[in-house]
Amino acid sequence: GENVEQHPSTLSVQEGDSAVIKCTYSDSASNYFPWYKQELGKRPQLIIDIRSNVGEKKDQRIAVTLNKTAKHFSLHITETQPEDSAVYFCAARYSGAGSYQLTFGKGTKLSVIP
Amino acid sequence: DGGITQSPKYLFRKEGQNVTLSCEQNLNHDAMYWYRQDPGQGLRLIYYSQIVNDFQKGDIAEGYSVSREKKESFPLTVTSAQKNPTAFYLCASSIRAGGSSYNEQFFGPGTRLTVL
Repeated sequence: GENVEQHPSTLSVQEGDSAVIKCTYSDSASNYFPWYKQELGKRPQLIIDIRSNVGEKKDQRIAVTLNKTAKHFSLHITETQPEDSAVYFCAARYSGAGSYQLTFGKGTKLSVIP
Repeated sequence: DGGITQSPKYLFRKEGQNVTLSCEQNLNHDAMYWYRQDPGQGLRLIYYSQIVNDFQKGDIAEGYSVSREKKESFPLTVTSAQKNPTAFYLCASSIRAGGSSYNEQFFGPGTRLTVL
């Protein structure tokens, strides 16, 4: 099955700085890579996703890059704000043999210091 | 945040008892999922269902059971065979499981189960 590694597990940045979270996946058959944000006590919510036929995607202050050859993808948050503080999860969807499950990384707790 | 609901928010049970967690969605989604969340472990898939009357085991299905008799409902039973059931359980749904454009999984608010 798929295995997703996520680093770092915790990240502290000053408000206004950039934050980068990196994930690697093991199965080259994976073709969809979403990122979820989970604020304390709340449900995870999708913030951005990328498919395997795209190398980069941006949405305002958030961007995701994908390197299929190296099997890694990253989340970039620019001009961080205190409300960006949360746990972020990457995931990879394996699409072999009719299975469509997402495998999640263990999460990165981002703290933005005002 | 509406559309997918879980009840109850907190649940306490004695060791050795089976307990069923509710998950309902009114989004007309075909696919539904159950995840377990433990501190530092991320989200781990317990079971998922791509369509009514069909479901597949995820990575940690042992000690759990599910049913999918209706499109809107996907209850999870935590049985006494689950060795460490205390956790936060999240249900999710998506329009369908496969395809490329419709994979966003929408999560419910979760149920925190504590086994005493």
